[in-house]
Amino acid sequence: DADVTQTPRNRITKTGKRIMLECSQTKGHDRMYWYRQDPGLGLQLIYYSFDVKDINKGEISDGYSVSRQAQAKFSLSLESAIPNQTALYFCATSQGGTGMHTQYFGPGTRLTVL
Amino acid sequence: ELKVEQNPLFLSMQEGKNYTIYCNYSTTSDRLYWYRQDPGKSLESLFVLLSNGAVKQEGRLMASLDTKARLSTLHITAAVHDLSATYFCAVLMDSNYQLIWGAGTKLIIKP
Repeated sequence: DADVTQTPRNRITKTGKRIMLECSQTKGHDRMYWYRQDPGLGLQLIYYSFDVKDINKGEISDGYSVSRQAQAKFSLSLESAIPNQTALYFCATSQGGTGMHTQYFGPGTRLTVL
Repeated sequence: ELKVEQNPLFLSMQEGKNYTIYCNYSTTSDRLYWYRQDPGKSLESLFVLLSNGAVKQEGRLMASLDTKARLSTLHITAAVHDLSATYFCAVLMDSNYQLIWGAGTKLIIKP
């Protein structure tokens, strides 16, 4: 079974709709992240959370919100989707402390906003 | 502000050849990461480099880190088609433990 799962894997929606993307992990990590990737480009950080009560904005948080429901669950919402939010969205996890801080990625959600 | 630059951004090469991808970053950092992404797929961790002079190898890929020059290299030896992918480097910001990503190098290896 995958350690980091994302649902849905693909979603097509219309402008103005509210969308929620969900992420779950079984790695036992305390840190979780949401990234956006546009075609042919690198990753942009939307939000990150170092524990359930610690949520921080990334570089492109406008138009997005998040909820950390539990250590293992981190959801991303688009309150009113717009076409330029069409992208591939990745959730990632890592473990804090003195370790490697390597981030492990979910399979991604391909979102299309019409 | 920490910036990470990769070059080249696109590389097309023949099987059997050697090549190097470069990753420069602008301020000091404790950790540098290399990831691989196949088209439309997720990112897979390849290497974590922790200290000056660190070298790690996995198959035909070898990564190294020079913290004084703020430079990491990913060297491909005798390339094979299966190594075709986009390779990203990322640097850990010491202040808030965020990863700052390079733009990626799209590598195409032709038979």
